[in-house]
Amino acid sequence: AQSVTQPDIHITVSEGASLELRCNYSYGATPYLFWYVQSPGQGLQLLLKYFSGDTLVQGIKGFEAEFKRSQSSFNLRKPSVHWSDAAEYFCAVSTGGGNKLTFGTGTQLKVEL
Amino acid sequence: GAGVSQSPSNKVTEKGKDVELRCDPISGHTALYWYRQSLGQGLEFLIYFQGNSAPDKSGLPSDRFSAERTGGSVSTLTIQRTQQEDSAVYLCASSSQTGPNEKLFFGSGTQLSVL
Repeated sequence: AQSVTQPDIHITVSEGASLELRCNYSYGATPYLFWYVQSPGQGLQLLLKYFSGDTLVQGIKGFEAEFKRSQSSFNLRKPSVHWSDAAEYFCAVSTGGGNKLTFGTGTQLKVEL
Repeated sequence: GAGVSQSPSNKVTEKGKDVELRCDPISGHTALYWYRQSLGQGLEFLIYFQGNSAPDKSGLPSDRFSAERTGGSVSTLTIQRTQQEDSAVYLCASSSQTGPNEKLFFGSGTQLSVL
């Protein structure tokens, strides 16, 4: 069965520092991979997605993610974090059957000023 | 509407009572999804609709949970005889079509608390 692992439950970074959030997936076929962000009291917003082609994908708000098939990873990165990036981040894989998503448990990002 | 609307935003109920949660998707979106977000559990898929039919309801935790969609629009998630473990945020999402490359638009959720 497909699964998504986000090993870091909480991460704290200083504003202006770089960020990397880890995501590992388990899925037999070519995965469709996503990163979503959830700010307090708001719904999830899609940051970026990977389907095929270039393994480095660019998203909104200056985020990017790199798909590495050999490591079954899809880590999210940002060169310089802003205080407004504080939120919870979810990695997800689409397992077909519509757009049914399997989510990781999320990483809560705190930004220190 | 401009986005996915869910009501109520908060619901407090007593154990054993039935609750109905409503989702109003983006106009014209044919696909609708329900997810549950529990502390420490992440988001769990419950059910999805294509039009008024539910091709996949594999995530519904028990027969106390049911959902319907009418007119290809509004959906209602019903939980009968609520239990404390049902306490969670219930999220609804919609997309213009089903398929892995379709963007999901999420509502803000209904926070359900079962006392």
